[in-house]
Amino acid sequence: DVVVTQSPLSLSVTLGQSASISCRSSQSFVDSNGDTYLSWFHQRPGQSPRRLIYEVSKRDSGVPDRFSGSGSGTDFTLKISRVEAEDVGVYSCMQYGHWPRTFGQGTKVEIK
Amino acid sequence: EVQLLESGGGLGQPGGSLRLSCAASGFNFNSEAMSWLRQAPGKGLEWVSSLSADGGATFYADSVKGRFTVSRDNSKNTLFLQMNSLRAEDTALYYCAKDWGHGRWGRGTLVIVSS
Repeated sequence: DVVVTQSPLSLSVTLGQSASISCRSSQSFVDSNGDTYLSWFHQRPGQSPRRLIYEVSKRDSGVPDRFSGSGSGTDFTLKISRVEAEDVGVYSCMQYGHWPRTFGQGTKVEIK
Repeated sequence: EVQLLESGGGLGQPGGSLRLSCAASGFNFNSEAMSWLRQAPGKGLEWVSSLSADGGATFYADSVKGRFTVSRDNSKNTLFLQMNSLRAEDTALYYCAKDWGHGRWGRGTLVIVSS
């Protein structure tokens, strides 16, 4: 199985500042078209996960441009610019290039 | 608007069975792969199973293979998860999700396995 490792596991951020979360995989998952199947999800307390980013850097509809994804190979990053109060919760990355799909452990983001 | 509504959760006995359903609306269900994922209390997200749009291809996590069966009824826009030989470690909130990349999730249905 592809092991996906996130860091840090918790993050305390000042409103208006930026935050970055790292996601590293044990192997690459680039398909023949050159697409890399890595997503980022945000889950607020008591809510369902919401996908923010797919294929490393493509934002889902309605996701603020404060959220950006980057990376390649086995090393990926989610950056939140100008953190707002609504950004609290757990962020998880997931690879969907191989079976079984695997998630990172999740990063809990809170406001200082 | 895409909507996914899970149902069928509840208390199941160890070794028993439950059948989950996910009613979909707001998109062309017949054209989309669907998945089940779960989240044990206080834990992270875990993929459980996926099913192609026509139901011809199914995929399972090792932890449920041979015990769970995913299926769909495209005429009723509904996804199912038949859960047999339940174990305590199957206790979780079960979500259905749209497409291979899990672009949209339902609100989940809670399964508790306990005697």
